[in-house]
Amino acid sequence: KAGVTQTPRYLIKTRGQQVTLSCSPISGHRSVSWYQQTPGQGLQFLFEYFSETQRNKGNFPGRFSGRQFSNSRSEMNVSTLELGDSALYLCASSLWGEETQYFGPGTRLLVL
Amino acid sequence: GENVEQHPSTLSVQEGDSAVIKCTYSDSASNYFPWYKQELGKGPQLIIDIRSNVGEKKDQRIAVTLNKTAKHFSLHITETQPEDSAVYFCAASKGAGGGNKLTFGTGTQLKVEL
Repeated sequence: KAGVTQTPRYLIKTRGQQVTLSCSPISGHRSVSWYQQTPGQGLQFLFEYFSETQRNKGNFPGRFSGRQFSNSRSEMNVSTLELGDSALYLCASSLWGEETQYFGPGTRLLVL
Repeated sequence: GENVEQHPSTLSVQEGDSAVIKCTYSDSASNYFPWYKQELGKGPQLIIDIRSNVGEKKDQRIAVTLNKTAKHFSLHITETQPEDSAVYFCAASKGAGGGNKLTFGTGTQLKVEL
């Protein structure tokens, strides 16, 4: 069974631009969560989606948004990029009703 | 909200020795505690997890212990090997029923020396 896949793996943007990251969960997993990883703040929860609905949201500004499609694939969007948004963005999937989350390889975003 | 503290931040051991990483959590409602291993350029990989109704769990060379009263849990790696070198993260959540948000510790860089 294929693991969590994330595209693109690397991305370079400039301040003020927006970016969209994609995540395909493990087959059969309907819950998708997003995390931001930076050297300074560590791993921080962004949001969780299930059945196309945002179920949980972390403490991030409204520039960070996401959505989930009917096939459980998820995207996250960051608008008006800031230098501090440079990070590894990780997606994790889980079976609905189970705690165990499996992470993808991440998308490394660099904002110049 | 939940706060997870992790110690030490770096740990260097000789091959074959044991390694212990400790975490404490603040929210008594947390009931699920996974450990992840992250190698350079990769996403976190789940290595073991424990739920609050269990005090200890073992999987080959890896074990995790949980003390609910003291709100701390630990990862034990025995007979360490060079391939165990990585960053290890502990995490806590209230489980799927309480919102599946993981709160992570700050990570431990484990180096296994030959």
